[in-house]
Amino acid sequence: GQQVMQIPQYQHVQEGEDFTTYCNSSTTLSNIQWYKQRPGGHPVFLIQLVKSGEVKKQKRLTFQFGEAKKNSSLHITATQTTDVGTYFCAGPLGTSYGKLTFGQGTILTVHP
Amino acid sequence: DADVTQTPRNRITKTGKRIMLECSQTKGHDRMYWYRQDPGLGLRLIYYSFDVKDINKGEISDGYSVSRQAQAKFSLSLESAIPNQTALYFCATSGTRGANEQFFGPGTRLTVL
Repeated sequence: GQQVMQIPQYQHVQEGEDFTTYCNSSTTLSNIQWYKQRPGGHPVFLIQLVKSGEVKKQKRLTFQFGEAKKNSSLHITATQTTDVGTYFCAGPLGTSYGKLTFGQGTILTVHP
Repeated sequence: DADVTQTPRNRITKTGKRIMLECSQTKGHDRMYWYRQDPGLGLRLIYYSFDVKDINKGEISDGYSVSRQAQAKFSLSLESAIPNQTALYFCATSGTRGANEQFFGPGTRLTVL
């Protein structure tokens, strides 16, 4: 079945270092969404990418959608302790718009 | 007040018991979802509903059932709970415009002994 794989599963960084998580799909995606879940919290939507090769920035966060629309990445520049949490990518499940299949998530720990 | 609420927030139960998890939303969204989260497995879709008369199985529906009582309410039931249903359960909603992003409730932590 359709799968969205995310790596790494864990990432420990020192505050100020950069961080990247990668998402790969077994099929072409019409769009990809990214969510952040703080420890003890619930997932919160960050952004959606739709176009091939699209790059979007939110302050220190840079999101990319691959040319083939089968992979995506989230890069955080100069991490801060407020960046800790789990980052999920999610793509449409099957052909029905509205259902999502989530990657396994990357748990980011930032050491001060 | 939170837009998506879930009750209870925590529940400990025994094998074989029937459990109902409830979700309510004030966002006016037609689409509602139930997920379970397990460490290392991300969020997996259990059931989803695109309107009151529409109920669909997700990736892992075995052992679960749902009821969409109204646009704002979507309940998840475990008819006979088993220990491997111990997990964090999230309800989510989405609209039909824009990015169709999903809005999640605070979660219910369920432990089946």
